[in-house]
Order: sequence, then structure tokens, then C-alpha cells
Amino acid sequence: GENVEQHPSTLSVQEGDSAVIKCTYSDSASNYFPWYKQELGKGPQLIIDIRSNVGEKKDQRIAVTLNKTAKHFSLHITETQPEDSAVYFCAASTGSARQLTFGSGTQLTVLP
Amino acid sequence: EAQVTQNPRYLITVTGKKLTVTCSQNMNHEYMSWYRQDPGLGLRQIYYSMNVEVTDKGDVPEGYKVSRKEKRNFPLILESPSPNQTSLYFCASRKTIQGDYGYTFGSGTRLTVV
Repeated sequence: GENVEQHPSTLSVQEGDSAVIKCTYSDSASNYFPWYKQELGKGPQLIIDIRSNVGEKKDQRIAVTLNKTAKHFSLHITETQPEDSAVYFCAASTGSARQLTFGSGTQLTVLP
Repeated sequence: EAQVTQNPRYLITVTGKKLTVTCSQNMNHEYMSWYRQDPGLGLRQIYYSMNVEVTDKGDVPEGYKVSRKEKRNFPLILESPSPNQTSLYFCASRKTIQGDYGYTFGSGTRLTVV
């Protein structure tokens, strides 16, 4: 089955700096890659997703890039703010989304 | 408000005492799923359901049961809970239309088995 590895497990940045979280996947048939943000005491919330026919997608301060050849994708957050502090999860699926396989998560801390 | 509702939020139980965690969604989503979240392991899928009366195992189904008798409800049943099932559980749902795979998650159920 699919295996998703996520790095780093923890990341601290100064407010205003950029943060990058990276994931690799094993199943070359995977074609859907969402990112979720989990705040303390809450369930994960979808923040952005990308499909295999697109190399990059942006939504305000958040962007995701995908390299299908290397089987890795990354989340980029620019101009970080304290409210960006949370656990971020990447995930991958083969499109039918019967099973969405998650990475192990990254605890992002934005220091004021 | 569109949401997935889980109950209870917190539960402490003893080994072997059957329990049910309820999950309900008000978005008319076909697909529902249960995940458990453990430190360093991310979210692992327990069971999922593509529609009413259609369920299938995820990656870690041992010790769990589910049922999908109605579209909106997807309860998770632990027939004989054990301490290794102590975890944070999430229910999620999504609409199964082409090009829309976004999940909506519930707020979670923290289960402790002693």
C-alpha cells in the first residue's frame, strides 16, 4: 500500500519568515495530495490540495508544489503568523480516495 | 452549519467493556471513515464506508467494528476494548463527486482504556 513520509516532525520559525514542510510518497498511482491543519483540540481541516496534473497551486500565503517524477510534494507558508502554529499533515491517495494515507505530521511553531 | 459530530468527546473505560462512539454528518455525504491518531504515527484509517450498507477495512481494523445503516451515521464499535486502543479517534466524511475529495473531520473522541 501507499506510504507517506513527512519531514520535519517539528519546525520553529520567526513570525514573518517562510516555512516549508516536505512529504514523499511511494505509490506512483497516487494522484491526489491534500494538506490538513490541526489546531489544538480540533479535528484536521483541509487547507489546500493538488492533483497530479498540476505542478503548483497557491492560495494567498499557502502554496503546494508537486514533483511526480521524484514522488514528493511540499507545503510552503509565507509571511508566517502566530495563528499558523498548528500540526500540519500531508496525505496521498490514488484518486478514488477510498483510502487517504497520511504522513506523521509536523508541529509548526511560529515565534512572535 | 455543515459538520461531523462525534460523541462522546472524552471516554474512560475498562478493558473488555463494549463501547460505541457515534458519528453523524449533516452534509448528505456518501463516504465516511474512522481514523485513529497516535503520537508519531499520524492518522491511520480504521474502517471506511462508500455508502449505506457498504463498509471496508482500512489499515488498522483489528478490534473494531462499524455499521452504516443510515447515510448520516457511522458508529465505531469496540466489542472488547484493550489498552492498546487508547487513542484519539476521528470520524470524517466527504462527498464522492468527481474532483472533490476534501474531507470534513469531527472534533475527535479521546478514548482511554484502563
